[in-house]
Amino acid sequence: QITLKESGPTLVKPTQTLTLTCTFSGFSLSTSAVGVGWIRQPPGEALEWLALIYWNDDKRYSPSLKSRLTITKDTSKNQVVLIMTNMDPVDTATYFCAHSIVGATAFDYWGQGTLVTVSS
Amino acid sequence: QSVLTQPPSASGTPGQRVTISCSGSSSNIGSNYVYWYQQLPGRAPKLLIYRNNQRPPGVPGRFSGSKSGTSASLAISGLRSEDEADYYCAAWDDTTPPDPPNWVFGGGTKLTVL
Repeated sequence: QITLKESGPTLVKPTQTLTLTCTFSGFSLSTSAVGVGWIRQPPGEALEWLALIYWNDDKRYSPSLKSRLTITKDTSKNQVVLIMTNMDPVDTATYFCAHSIVGATAFDYWGQGTLVTVSS
Repeated sequence: QSVLTQPPSASGTPGQRVTISCSGSSSNIGSNYVYWYQQLPGRAPKLLIYRNNQRPPGVPGRFSGSKSGTSASLAISGLRSEDEADYYCAAWDDTTPPDPPNWVFGGGTKLTVL
């Protein structure tokens, strides 16, 4: 059974750096073709893809946010970390992590999401 | 403004068949698979369709996907009240060479069951 759960601060101040952790079970990020991605959703708005990391450490980033994002994995801990710098109130959103398989299903299992509010 | 264009809303009555469109370009839908997600109010999205028209285990056969050229559609037949949700299309987009492809979502369609 695949499960994912996001964790991190619920409130950050403008200009601060956000660090979110996705802790998962039921699969390994050392298995070929497996990936974990991050997607966010501002209140009442659409989904926005942020980043994705694969089993082989291949990393993909949203072009519009690439300069602010870093995604890493810790295979031994079954965790993926997303770092977003220079937070702004427009970054207020629910942040989801999700499991993916290269060339097959994409984001077939999702975490419950964590709401991050950016405010001074 | 999303790279993939969806109508903001759609509606139907119970038992009806409704379709939701998703329009893209040659760099995304035209050359890559399309995926569809259902998001019930207050919940995380759920994968409904992958690789244009494949259903994951547990997704009812009432949901079907199709693709033609640079457009795709999600069809829901035998509409039920529990289908009231937001629906998103998505695909890889190859518009940023030499950077690798990036994932794009549509703007979402809110389906109301009247």
